[in-house]
Amino acid sequence: EPEVTQTPSHQVTQMGQEVILRCVPISNHLYFYWYRQILGQKVEFLVSFYNNEISEKSEIFDDQFSVERPDGSNFTLKIRSTKLEDSAMYFCASTRGAKNTEAFFGQGTRLTVV
Amino acid sequence: KQEVTQIPAALSVPEGENLVLNCSFTDSAIYNLQWFRQDPGKGLTSLLLIQSSQREQTSGRLNASLDKSSGRSTLYIAASQPGDSATYLCAPCTDKLIFGTGTRLQVFP
Repeated sequence: EPEVTQTPSHQVTQMGQEVILRCVPISNHLYFYWYRQILGQKVEFLVSFYNNEISEKSEIFDDQFSVERPDGSNFTLKIRSTKLEDSAMYFCASTRGAKNTEAFFGQGTRLTVV
Repeated sequence: KQEVTQIPAALSVPEGENLVLNCSFTDSAIYNLQWFRQDPGKGLTSLLLIQSSQREQTSGRLNASLDKSSGRSTLYIAASQPGDSATYLCAPCTDKLIFGTGTRLQVFP
């Protein structure tokens, strides 16, 4: 069964360092998303991406964040200069269509900023 | 702004019970609503997708209903099992999913 895969599963980084979280969405999906979940809190929307550009971003997704689809399979989230409060589980998701299709999530990358 | 509330926040039941998990949302202009399961420290597993035009959707022992106009969805779990222990998340969808805080379910033998 097709699945969304994320790497790494766990990343520890020092404050101020750049990190890149990687995702391989399901191959025939066209819409891609990043969400995050701070420990003990809700899953929050960060950004959606379609046709090689950002469709929507939340207030959390400030200038420190960027997304890219560098080739036909990968979808990446970059945090330029990590802060302690960026520590969270980051989930990638993809859907085949925009409105009425099921979202599939990866297993997440746990980011710990020290 | 969409706000999603799930009740109860936690539930502990003996196996075999039929369960009702409730979700309410403030903005009824949704395309669909998904229910997910999350095991501790793990990702989100999609359980059911119910379209805005549907009233209910079933998968095995799970049945989800949707009353879009009143902003409510309910997840029924029949004959609960210890393996059902997890957090259940409701997420109505406009252009993105908005998640509730979840119902943490424990089913004991």
